[in-house]
Amino acid sequence: DQQVKQNSPSLSVQEGRISILNCDYTNSMFDYFLWYKKYPAEGPTFLISISSIKDKNEDGRFTVFLNKSAKHLSLHIVPSQPGDSAVYFCAGPGGGSQGNLIFGKGTKLSVKP
Amino acid sequence: DAGVTQSPTHLIKTRGQQVTLRCSPISGHKSVSWYQQVLGQGPQFIFQYYEKEERGRGNFPDRFSARQFPNYSSELNVNALLLGDSALYLCASSWGNLAGAFDEQYFGPGTRLTVT
Repeated sequence: DQQVKQNSPSLSVQEGRISILNCDYTNSMFDYFLWYKKYPAEGPTFLISISSIKDKNEDGRFTVFLNKSAKHLSLHIVPSQPGDSAVYFCAGPGGGSQGNLIFGKGTKLSVKP
Repeated sequence: DAGVTQSPTHLIKTRGQQVTLRCSPISGHKSVSWYQQVLGQGPQFIFQYYEKEERGRGNFPDRFSARQFPNYSSELNVNALLLGDSALYLCASSWGNLAGAFDEQYFGPGTRLTVT
């Protein structure tokens, strides 16, 4: 029973174009969502968050959109850069404490020069 | 500033053996969480400890146990290893006491455990 789903295992984008990574969730009680980025041989690093009371949060080249009626969120990266090539994880709160996160399977983004 | 450190980096064990993984949090952080990441999956929550007390536990068998020391470092123990325990084990630290505020989790690079 996956509460957080990332259905695209990989995405390839040309440098300078927009990257859109998608995430679906099943638990309407989630009150925030997180995106993490992971490079090989490193741990995941926090990228951006969004509260369930908002529909958009922007931080530089990164914007996350939340559609609560569709239980869907997306991460937009504009413009994409080769250094953005990594695995991106969507996560929601697992309950009990903020240290308990439920992650999707991840989407591997490749940005080609 | 040093980030979250984990040891060892890699480990190979045989089925039935026991393993201990170690984690040192960022200085000042009092919370440590452990995650298991199997190939092709996202990290899955195992435990969280705060101020040496267990604060949360994921859906893992009793073969998995953990503890946190007075210096806030932590160990994850896995007994009677199975082939399916082969995974990347990630440790994350945070302040842990930010009531109502976002408590960012900082992850270490992980320990790659292979069970043969």
